[in-house]
Amino acid sequence: AQSVTQLDSQVPVFEEAPVELRCNYSSSVSVYLFWYVQYPNQGLQLLLKYLSGSTLVKGINGFEAEFNKSQTSFHLRKPSVHISDTAEYFCAVRTNAGKSTFGDGTTLTVKP
Amino acid sequence: DADVTQTPRNRITKTGKRIMLECSQTKGHDRMYWYRQDPGLGLRLIYYSFDVKDINKGEISDGYSVSRQAQAKFSLSLESAIPNQTALYFCATSDPGTGGLTDTQYFGPGTRLTVL
Repeated sequence: AQSVTQLDSQVPVFEEAPVELRCNYSSSVSVYLFWYVQYPNQGLQLLLKYLSGSTLVKGINGFEAEFNKSQTSFHLRKPSVHISDTAEYFCAVRTNAGKSTFGDGTTLTVKP
Repeated sequence: DADVTQTPRNRITKTGKRIMLECSQTKGHDRMYWYRQDPGLGLRLIYYSFDVKDINKGEISDGYSVSRQAQAKFSLSLESAIPNQTALYFCATSDPGTGGLTDTQYFGPGTRLTVL
């Protein structure tokens, strides 16, 4: 079985500041790692994913994440956030069996 | 047009009523999923289907049933709705892709269900 822990439920930041949203996972098998974003009143959209290869993954809207196998982490970062980045962010792990486990979400609020 | 659609988008019903939530997709994906989202609990998997003849229970299937009528359609039913089934419900699809590695999920816009 696998589990995902998003370490911060709410992250308030000022516009143009850097941000890191933290995600730790546990699994007895190899997993693939994803970050999704949910804007208000919308479904989830894929931001980025790690399948294999380079541990630094770049996604849409200037986000990137780094897979750290020894620390079982997949933290999401952006060097300079915009008001439009205000949303809920979900970390997820997926096994070869095709089942996903999602974290509880982190609400990012970007203030002017 | 959206690739994954859900109907209805909002529904208010009473305890004991039977409710069906429908999901359609035009992505041509074999895999479809139903999740519920509750505040502070993320998304929890209710049922999933890897093809028309394959239905599997997720982590919280009690009180729910599903029907995969076609590759493009996957319906979720609440046989006798109860208030703690009040939640936001999402349908999703995925395609395992080459080697089964890609498997990104594509989500519908959600159905907000309130059971009184």
